[in-house]
Amino acid sequence: DAGVIQSPRHEVTEMGQEVTLRCKPISGHDYLFWYRQTMMRGLELLIYFNNNVPIDDSGMPEDRFSAKMPNASFSTLKIQPSEPRDSAVYFCASSLAAPWGELFFGEGSRLTVL
Amino acid sequence: DQQVKQNSPSLSVQEGRISILNCDYTNSMFDYFLWYKKYPAEGPTFLISISSIKDKNEDGRFTVFLNKSAKHLSLHIVPSQPGDSAVYFCAVTGMNRDDKIIFGKGTRLHILP
Repeated sequence: DAGVIQSPRHEVTEMGQEVTLRCKPISGHDYLFWYRQTMMRGLELLIYFNNNVPIDDSGMPEDRFSAKMPNASFSTLKIQPSEPRDSAVYFCASSLAAPWGELFFGEGSRLTVL
Repeated sequence: DQQVKQNSPSLSVQEGRISILNCDYTNSMFDYFLWYKKYPAEGPTFLISISSIKDKNEDGRFTVFLNKSAKHLSLHIVPSQPGDSAVYFCAVTGMNRDDKIIFGKGTRLHILP
């Protein structure tokens, strides 16, 4: 199995631009998570899905952030418009049995907003 | 308000000695506790876990201890090896189906030669 696949690995953009991060979870995993890692806040849960349905989006910072999971093998996290404070590493993770199941993380997407 | 606290941002330990990483949590309702390890430019990977019905779980060189009354858990690595240099995240969750997994800020462990 290829593991969780995220793209792009690195994104540099200018303030105000739209950013779309993509994730392909491990086949058969029912849960998909989006986390953000910063020095100040560590690993924060933004949103998670169960069987493609958003379960908890209380961690999404504001309306500029949105996430979708149109099918079991694909999810996007969109920021529009982006701001410098959104600069972080964004991780996608999937799991067979959350919350106590092991999370399998992708390699992350490092976002820099200038 | 942090629900999971890893108060040491970094820790340096001599190779071959014991590394002890600590984690405190605020909510006594948490039932399941995990440690993840992260190398640079990679995603975190699961290391070891413990449920609230136990106070110790061991896997090779790694042992996690849970003190529920103190709301404290620790990860012991013995003996420490160079490949253990990484960031270690403590994580907590409940046992209900939709309970979130909440991570601490992480502790960077340096194993010195």
